[in-house]
Amino acid sequence: KAGVTQTPRYLIKTRGQQVTLSCSPISGHRSVSWYQQTPGQGLQFLFEYFSETQRNKGNFPGRFSGRQFSNSRSEMNVSTLELGDSALYLCASRQDYTGELFFGEGSRLTVL
Amino acid sequence: AQSVTQLGSHVSVSEGALVLLRCNYSSSVPPYLFWYVQYPNQGLQLLLKYTSAATLVKGINGFEAEFKKSETSFHLTKPSAHMSDAAEYFCAVSLGSNYQLIWGAGTKLIIKP
Repeated sequence: KAGVTQTPRYLIKTRGQQVTLSCSPISGHRSVSWYQQTPGQGLQFLFEYFSETQRNKGNFPGRFSGRQFSNSRSEMNVSTLELGDSALYLCASRQDYTGELFFGEGSRLTVL
Repeated sequence: AQSVTQLGSHVSVSEGALVLLRCNYSSSVPPYLFWYVQYPNQGLQLLLKYTSAATLVKGINGFEAEFKKSETSFHLTKPSAHMSDAAEYFCAVSLGSNYQLIWGAGTKLIIKP
């Protein structure tokens, strides 16, 4: 069974630009969550999508948005990038009934 | 409200020594508890989970954790540390399979040769 796939793995942007990250969950998983990980703030929850609907949302500004498609693939978008948005962005798909999260390897964003 | 506390942002042990990573939680109902591991430049991987079955849970790579309700703890142990265990370890709690995981701040495990 293929794992969670995130693309791109690495990217560099400049302040003010926008970025879109993609996540393909494990086949059959309907829930996709996104996390931001930085050395200073640790692992912070961004949002969760379940069957194309946002089910939970963390405490991030509106510049951070996401969506989920009918095939459960998800994208997250960050507009008007700031230096502080430099982080590892992790996607996780969730197994129904057990609640176990399966993580991708992450997309490392550097904002210059 | 639920919360998770991991004692010690860094823990250093010698190769071959006992590994003990501490996790305390607060939850209003019987929780689901998880330990995840993150190796450098990788995502998180599930080590083990407690979902109200046996209180002693065995995971991958020789790790185990014991759910102690009276102490609200779910400490992670391994009898003998290996260099390959060097990583960051995260404890997490949730109310159930459809609820958000609440994460601890993580503990970096350092193995001394």
